[in-house]
Amino acid sequence: SAVISQKPSRDICQRGTSLTIQCQVDSQVTMMFWYRQQPGQSLTLIATANQGSEATYESGFVIDKFPISRPNLTFSTLTVSNMSPEDSSIYLCSVETGVRSIQYFGAGTRLSVL
Amino acid sequence: GNSVTQMEGPVTLSEEAFLTINCTYTATGYPSLFWYVQYPGEGLQLLLKATKADDKGSNKGFEATYRKETTSFHLEKGSVQVSDSAVYFCALKGGSNYKLTFGKGTLLTVNP
Repeated sequence: SAVISQKPSRDICQRGTSLTIQCQVDSQVTMMFWYRQQPGQSLTLIATANQGSEATYESGFVIDKFPISRPNLTFSTLTVSNMSPEDSSIYLCSVETGVRSIQYFGAGTRLSVL
Repeated sequence: GNSVTQMEGPVTLSEEAFLTINCTYTATGYPSLFWYVQYPGEGLQLLLKATKADDKGSNKGFEATYRKETTSFHLEKGSVQVSDSAVYFCALKGGSNYKLTFGKGTLLTVNP
């Protein structure tokens, strides 16, 4: 398994500002993922972040809005840029590890945009 | 593409009742199947998994059997507790595709 720490756990932000979410893992992992969970909804994959390469974004998500960094095998950040109330969601970091490639999740960042 | 259809909630049960949450899937090849649980205010935790047909995943009294003939992975528990109140997500990962596809989630509330 993997222990994943996400910061901040929650934040309230003003429209037009940006927030950077950090994800720290207790072991080296190749694949890290960022998900969004809108209120009352399921999880939607934003992007996959592999160390040493550009993040791969899913349809409907763009780098200008959700820039991602992956400087090493234990850390990644997701920035939510130029926020609007529609960005109010839970953002979750996930890693894939183990022989059976199971994904483990952080506790999430609860973002409210006013 | 891959998809997961999950029983609509919310589900409200009394303590010690039997629980079933239905999950069916569409996928090419032989996906791995998962149930994740999200307790109030927390992230997702892996509850159980099955990687091939007829496998039974089990954990904390919960069980689910990978049924390829019916493309299903229903979650069951014989006697629920108040502490089982949470949102349950069925998910699949198909073949060489590393992406997880989630169902919409089912909110379970267990009353004492």
